[in-house]
Amino acid sequence: EVQLVESGGGLVKPGGSLRLSCAASGFIFSNYIMNWVRQAPGKGLEWLSSISTGSNYIFYADSVKGRFTISRDNAKNSLYLQMNSLRADDTAVYYCTRGLGSSGWYGDYWGQGTLVTVSS
Amino acid sequence: DIQMTQSPSSLSASVGDRVTITCRASQGISNYLAWFQQKPGKAPKSLIYAASSLQSGVPSKFSGSGSGTDFTLTISSLQPEDFATYYCQQYNNYPPTFGPGTKVDIK
Repeated sequence: EVQLVESGGGLVKPGGSLRLSCAASGFIFSNYIMNWVRQAPGKGLEWLSSISTGSNYIFYADSVKGRFTISRDNAKNSLYLQMNSLRADDTAVYYCTRGLGSSGWYGDYWGQGTLVTVSS
Repeated sequence: DIQMTQSPSSLSASVGDRVTITCRASQGISNYLAWFQQKPGKAPKSLIYAASSLQSGVPSKFSGSGSGTDFTLTISSLQPEDFATYYCQQYNNYPPTFGPGTKVDIK
């Protein structure tokens, strides 16, 4: 069974940093593009970033480019999102998704999400 | 960026109703269109990819169609567990973008 479990969310002050993790199981992690998607409270879904199987190809949404860094450790079946210079509008539930297709931007499996709250 | 719109933004329906939700892309995306279902407090769940392919394990009451800019999601006979918010997503162009969602609730 495919499982994605996010962790690392919490309360952080504006300008602070946080590192999210996503532990994958039930599939060959190294074979799949992975993504981060977020959802602000009461709002819609926003794709943030994707990383290829070998970390060669990385994409970011403009809203997080230069502040967030996606990475993965295939030996640990884990995906990460380093978030710096956090702002109030980064407050959201953050999901990791397994990517399918040539771009990998379609997520067929989603984790349960981890809540990040940016507030003073 | 490609803008995705959905209509209606919300609808009220009864159990057993046939429900259709429309998604439109601001430019052609071939068939790189997915549909997701989200219930309150839960993660989105994939229903359909490539505009009309059913994700494994998804019941056949869900169907999708369309190509280019106009797409539809149909639920053939609405059941209590189908009351949720539905999102479309294009994944043809960077950045991938989602529609604003359609909330389906009980009449």
